Amino acid sequence: DAKTTQPPSMDCAEGRAANLPCNHSTISGNEYVYWYRQIHSQGPQYIIHGLKNNETNEMASLIITEDRKSSTLILPHATLRDTAVYYCIALNYNQGGKLIFGQGTELSVKP
Amino acid sequence: DGGITQSPKYLFRKEGQNVTLSCEQNLNHDAMYWYRQDPGQGLRLIYYSQIVNDFQKGDIAEGYSVSREKKESFPLTVTSAQKNPTAFYLCASKGPGSRYTDTQYFGPGTRLTVL
Repeated sequence: DAKTTQPPSMDCAEGRAANLPCNHSTISGNEYVYWYRQIHSQGPQYIIHGLKNNETNEMASLIITEDRKSSTLILPHATLRDTAVYYCIALNYNQGGKLIFGQGTELSVKP
Repeated sequence: DGGITQSPKYLFRKEGQNVTLSCEQNLNHDAMYWYRQDPGQGLRLIYYSQIVNDFQKGDIAEGYSVSREKKESFPLTVTSAQKNPTAFYLCASKGPGSRYTDTQYFGPGTRLTVL
C-alpha cells in the first residue's frame, strides 16, 4: 500500500489560495491520488482525484509532480467553510478499493 | 434525493449488548463499505461488499458482523465481542465504472457510545 504523508496542520487567510501538500513516494503506477475532506463530525466529502495529469473541478485543483512522488491540492479562494481535515489517499484496489486514510492536514481558514 | 443515509446519528448502548447500525443508499451502487473513526484518527476499514450476498473482512473486522441481502442496504452489527466499540462509524458506497477511477461517497455517520 502506498502511504501518504501530510503536514498535521496549516493556516490560510480567507480569500487566499490554500495549497495543501502530500508526499506519496511509494505510490505504484496504477494507484490514483484521491483527496477527501472531513468537517468535524461529518462524513468525508470527495474533492478530486488524478493519476498523472493535473486536474481541476469546481472545488479544487490537483497538481501531481511528473515523478508522481508528491501532489498539491489547491483551493483557489479559501472560505471559512473550507476549514476541515484534508486527507490525501492512494487508492488501493488490491482490497476492493480500500481507502487508506492517514492523519490528514487540519486546515484552518482565518478571517 | 439520491444519497447515503445512516441511522441513527447518535446511539447509546450498554456494555455487552449487540447493536446494529443502518446504512442505506439509493445510488444504485454495487460496492459498500464500513469504516470506523476514533478521535483524532483517520478511518479504518471494517468490512466491505462488492456485490449482493458477498462481503469481505477489512483491517479491523473482529467483533463486527455484516450482511448484504439487498443492494441498497449494508447493516453493521457491533457485537459484545468488540472490546472498544465507542467510535464514529461511517458507511460509504461506490458505483460502477473503470476499476481505477471509482469514487467512494460517504454517509453522515453514526456516533456510537457504549456506557
